[in-house]
Amino acid sequence: EVQLVQSGAEVKKPGESLKISCKGSGYSFISYWIGWVRQMPGKGLEWMGIIYPGDSDTRYSPSFQGQVTISADKSISTAYLQWSSLKASDTAMYYCARPVATGRFAGFDPWGQGTLVIVSS
Amino acid sequence: DIQMTQSPSSLSASVGDRVTITCQASQDISKYLNWYQHKPGKAPKLLIYDASNLATGVPSRFSGSGSGTDFTFTIRSLQPEDIATYYCQQFDHLPHDFGGGTKVEIK
Repeated sequence: EVQLVQSGAEVKKPGESLKISCKGSGYSFISYWIGWVRQMPGKGLEWMGIIYPGDSDTRYSPSFQGQVTISADKSISTAYLQWSSLKASDTAMYYCARPVATGRFAGFDPWGQGTLVIVSS
Repeated sequence: DIQMTQSPSSLSASVGDRVTITCQASQDISKYLNWYQHKPGKAPKLLIYDASNLATGVPSRFSGSGSGTDFTFTIRSLQPEDIATYYCQQFDHLPHDFGGGTKVEIK
């Protein structure tokens, strides 16, 4: 079974750093892009960026460029989303997702279960 | 960036009704459009890919059409379990932005 399993919920203070993870299983991790999607409380889905673990090619939405870092460790089939200095406005649910097709952009299926990040003083 | 304008933002319909949602792209995206269903507390679910292809395991009452800049998503006969927010997403040009969403409720 193809699965993406994300790390657990986090409660952090403004200014702290954070790295959340997304572990893929049941498929060739290096052969599919993995994307990250944000949903702020009561808001819609926002596409943040995407990485190809095979060669670490990474593309960001201009809205998130410089605000987060997307990375992957293909040796452990895990993608990451990290912040160096969290803000209260980073409070959101974050999803990882994999395109249905290998090696190209496509609809996202499957998705991880989501990681809730709460940033509060 | 390509702007994805989805409408309506919400709708209320009766069980058995036909429901239609539209998504307009600010420039030609060919057929590179997906539709998702998102229920509270769950991950989004891919329903339609490449504008008109039904994803695996998705009931046939869901369908999509369109190409270029104008796309339509239809639920042929609304069921209680279809209560959710629906999103379009283009993947022709980076960033692969989503539409603003349509919240579907039962009347």
